[in-house]
Amino acid sequence: GEDVEQSLFLSVREGDSSVINCTYTDSSSTYLYWYKQEPGAGLQLLTYIFSNMDMKQDQRLTVLLNKKDKHLSLRIADTQTGDSAIYFCAESPYGQNFVFGPGTRLSVLP
Amino acid sequence: EAGVVQSPRYKIIEKKQPVAFWCNPISGHNTLYWYLQNLGQGPELLIRYENEEAVDDSQLPKDRFSAERLKGVDSTLKIQPAELGDSAVYLCASSFRTGQNTGELFFGEGSRLTVL
Repeated sequence: GEDVEQSLFLSVREGDSSVINCTYTDSSSTYLYWYKQEPGAGLQLLTYIFSNMDMKQDQRLTVLLNKKDKHLSLRIADTQTGDSAIYFCAESPYGQNFVFGPGTRLSVLP
Repeated sequence: EAGVVQSPRYKIIEKKQPVAFWCNPISGHNTLYWYLQNLGQGPELLIRYENEEAVDDSQLPKDRFSAERLKGVDSTLKIQPAELGDSAVYLCASSFRTGQNTGELFFGEGSRLTVL
């Protein structure tokens, strides 16, 4: 079955790097995604990576994909208080539905 | 361009009462999703529409939940009767799907239901 797992909480100091980890089970997903949810809002696509890539960098965001271990990570450089939110990892098996992890709540301390 | 619009944002009802949620997807998006998000959890799919056809409703509790997508655009999700355990956020999302490419998923702000 499809299952996406994430650690539930992460606290970092402002200016440090944050690394949010995710493991998934289905190897058929063409893309893997990171979504961000701020309080009282819906989810917003942050970035995604094509399954045949190992790394994708987008400004302060770096996505690493280890397809062999089915491990995905999101690194946020120079974390700011505005980055405090819940981050969801998601896969899309066979391009059908999106399966989301439980979310990692990132707290950025001043 | 307007995003995915949902209403109402908040609804408080007593158990056994009916409730309905409405979603207007992004113009031109052929795929519409309803997700359930419980507190502290990720979204879980309830139903997915391709145009006006429900192509995946396997997780929709059909004894009390129903949904429709009028003319392949707007959609409503209904619960009748509501139970205490239905308290959650109901998220609508849409995308433009071509073949096996699901397209980027855009979410509405959600409808938060509280059942007393």
